[in-house]
Amino acid sequence: DVKVTQSSRYLVKRTGEKVFLECVQDMDHENMFWYRQDPGLGLRLIYFSYDVKMKEKGDIPEGYSVSREKKERFSLILESASTNQTSMYLCASTSAGAEIRETQYFGPGTRLLVL
Amino acid sequence: QKEVEQDPGPLSVPEGAIVSLNCTYSNSAFQYFMWYRQYSRKGPELLMYTYSSGNKEDGRFTAQVDKSSKYISLFIRDSQPSDSATYLCAMKSDYKLSFGAGTTVTVRA
Repeated sequence: DVKVTQSSRYLVKRTGEKVFLECVQDMDHENMFWYRQDPGLGLRLIYFSYDVKMKEKGDIPEGYSVSREKKERFSLILESASTNQTSMYLCASTSAGAEIRETQYFGPGTRLLVL
Repeated sequence: QKEVEQDPGPLSVPEGAIVSLNCTYSNSAFQYFMWYRQYSRKGPELLMYTYSSGNKEDGRFTAQVDKSSKYISLFIRDSQPSDSATYLCAMKSDYKLSFGAGTTVTVRA
């Protein structure tokens, strides 16, 4: 079974703090993704990575950065947290195999509250 | 305009009813069409996927794709309280998935 884990289920931070969200997958997947999920907006892609040290901007990268130093780990960084970054953050991974199997496996999510 | 439109509901049905969910999309480059189920306080899990127009069945679930109309549907037959969840449609082109907003479904016992 694919397992995607996220370092925290709930986080409370103050405006201006630097926030690190960690994601680890155990299936040797090449591709990893960070989304945020907000009511009425669904999942929106922040950043993704298709290889170690590679990253690509998603649809809403502003205010975020990422780091992928090892294949199994993909970190999302909020350099200076703001209240509009209060959200559910979801990490996902997928293999770069045949198209039909390229489904994304999601972690349980981190609910971040910025005060 | 969003690439993927999905009515957020909520939708409440009695046990045993047929649940009908749908999404429309605007990007002709989408190649694969998926439905994810998300229980409260959990990450989404893949329910069904398809890549061609037509119907695909899996137990009580039927996914339908109409590429000419850019419209996809998910039907749940004989719905159960355990089907209560948020259902998200998703569509894939290249590496990325584009998601609908999700429809929250409650099946009343």
